Amino acid sequence: NAGVTQTPKFQVLKTGQSMTLQCAQDMNHEYMSWYRQDPGMGLRLIHYSVGAGITDQGEVPNGYNVSRSTTEDFPLRLLSAAPSQTSVYFCASSYSGTASEEAGELFFGEGSRLTVL
Amino acid sequence: RKEVEQDPGPFNVPEGATVAFNCTYSNSASQSFFWYRQDCRKEPKLLMSVYSSGNEDGRFTAQLNRASQYISLLIRDSKLSDSATYLCVVNIHGNQFYFGTGTSLTVIP
Repeated sequence: NAGVTQTPKFQVLKTGQSMTLQCAQDMNHEYMSWYRQDPGMGLRLIHYSVGAGITDQGEVPNGYNVSRSTTEDFPLRLLSAAPSQTSVYFCASSYSGTASEEAGELFFGEGSRLTVL
Repeated sequence: RKEVEQDPGPFNVPEGATVAFNCTYSNSASQSFFWYRQDCRKEPKLLMSVYSSGNEDGRFTAQLNRASQYISLLIRDSKLSDSATYLCVVNIHGNQFYFGTGTSLTVIP
């Protein structure tokens, strides 16, 4: 009954350090995405993927890299952390990013709280 | 311009009240619409999808007006447990989900 699993749940970094936020889902969802949530800004789409080997940029991609080598995993990499990347990060997946009125529900992980000093 | 705009509130209403939230979206290519609920420091969870014909789920009613590009959520007979942030979500081109900033609701005993 895992759903979407994010690790770590909490992380403190120094400016310039790199790290990877892990996201895994066991629902065989084709669509996966990363969001950041900041006070007053809502959730903003960073990167998304519609299937293994395919990734694309969202609203706020700068400073983040992603890859999708398997259907299950969609890691988010911060190559050189900056204080502006202090945020709560959510990974979400859906059965399909289809173009229909009933396009799938997004299932979220519990979030990763990142602080960059 | 943000893809999705919401009144952030906060809305403070007594138990039993009816409360309505509105949301507007800017991209006419938007194809599917949702309301999510987010409790404090938790992940968002789907409350209901919003269909062109409008839909109802118990005390919750969602409406979509494509011509005016707005979505609404009506909550009747508010309960204390309805206190949360309500997020309007729009799916553009079938593969990009955009969120509004959320509307905060507190139901007061």
